[in-house]
Amino acid sequence: AQRVTQPEKLLSVFKGAPVELKCNYSYSGSPELFWYVQYSRQRLQLLLRHISRESIKGFTADLNKGETSFHLKKPFAQEEDSAMYYCALRSNTGNQFYFGTGTSLTVIP
Amino acid sequence: EPEVTQTPSHQVTQMGQEVILRCVPISNHLYFYWYRQILGQKVEFLVSFYNNEISEKSEIFDDQFSVERPDGSNFTLKIRSTKLEDSAMYFCASGKQGLNQETQYFGPGTRLLVL
Repeated sequence: AQRVTQPEKLLSVFKGAPVELKCNYSYSGSPELFWYVQYSRQRLQLLLRHISRESIKGFTADLNKGETSFHLKKPFAQEEDSAMYYCALRSNTGNQFYFGTGTSLTVIP
Repeated sequence: EPEVTQTPSHQVTQMGQEVILRCVPISNHLYFYWYRQILGQKVEFLVSFYNNEISEKSEIFDDQFSVERPDGSNFTLKIRSTKLEDSAMYFCASGKQGLNQETQYFGPGTRLLVL
């Protein structure tokens, strides 16, 4: 069964500190993983996808197939990073997405 | 920049009533999705729709639910005989064609409350 796990519901860090939001997955196939973000009173939006291997707003995420993880990292957190972050996995068919329960990140000034 | 829109933003209904949630996907997108998020829980996939038919659906999407693209712009989710546990935020999303579609774009959601 496909499953995405985000073990932390809440995470608080101080501004300028490194931040890591954890995501683990289980999937019987080649996973395609995403991080979505939802800022206060805004819609869900894509932050990054693993196949792009890009850095968006200073965030990076590396797919570790051995550990079945896709943790989101940023070396220096900013106040504007405070938001809800969702890890998501797309099915092989491309037509179904599985979301984690989300991690609420608060960056303390 | 084009966006997915959803109406209404809030809907209150009595248990047993039918509701229709409306979505206008981004105009050149061909894949459409519905998700729901019960308060405090994760975003759950309901259904995906392509070429005027359902391409995938989850176990949540039972006979109580149906989707339709009645014209060239709207994509609707109908819930027949609503139950209390249908209270949730319902998100529509759309994506471009192809297996390598970049992502899906979400609407702002419709908050449904069943009394």
